[in-house]
Amino acid sequence: EDKVVQSPLSLVVHEGDTVTLNCSYEVTNFRSLLWYKQEKKAPTFLFMLTSSGIEKKSGRLSSILDKKELFSILNITATQTGDSAVYLCAVGNRDDKIIFGKGTRLHILP
Amino acid sequence: KAGVTQTPRYLIKTRGQQVTLSCSPISGHRSVSWYQQTPGQGLQFLFEYFSETQRNKGNFPGRFSGRQFSNSRSEMNVSTLELGDSALYLCASRSTEYNEQFFGPGTRLTVL
Repeated sequence: EDKVVQSPLSLVVHEGDTVTLNCSYEVTNFRSLLWYKQEKKAPTFLFMLTSSGIEKKSGRLSSILDKKELFSILNITATQTGDSAVYLCAVGNRDDKIIFGKGTRLHILP
Repeated sequence: KAGVTQTPRYLIKTRGQQVTLSCSPISGHRSVSWYQQTPGQGLQFLFEYFSETQRNKGNFPGRFSGRQFSNSRSEMNVSTLELGDSALYLCASRSTEYNEQFFGPGTRLTVL
């Protein structure tokens, strides 16, 4: 059965710290891996990764995919309180199915 | 480009009633997916519609159904509501070429 597993489930750090969120997957016919940020409303798109080893970067956030080891990481440097959210990882396959992980709840202390 | 819209935003129903939720995708997007999100289970896939046909389906009972119209707008229906159906129902649309989905604001359903 296809599955996406995120770790840790929750994380509390201080402002300014760097965090690494993990996403591992077992999905047949992998096509892409997506990261979303969800605050008190609907998830908003962060990154889509399709190729191994190519880092995607947006400000203090970056992500990379390892298709051999079947995982991705999302890094956030110099965290701010506004980064507090649930970060969702999802994997899409070539049958157009998208499977979501349960998310990592990140809380940044001021 | 307008984003994904969902109506209503909030809904309160009682057990045994039925409910219909509506989703309008981003213009040009033909795929609409529905998800149920609860604190304990996270985001769970309900079904996906593409060109008025159900393309994929999650593991939900038959009380949950949906449809898509020719303008790509989609509705989701839940019959014989149960307390456990209380959740945030999210709709997402995407273009056919990519897996990137854009989510609507959700409908928060409370079943009393």
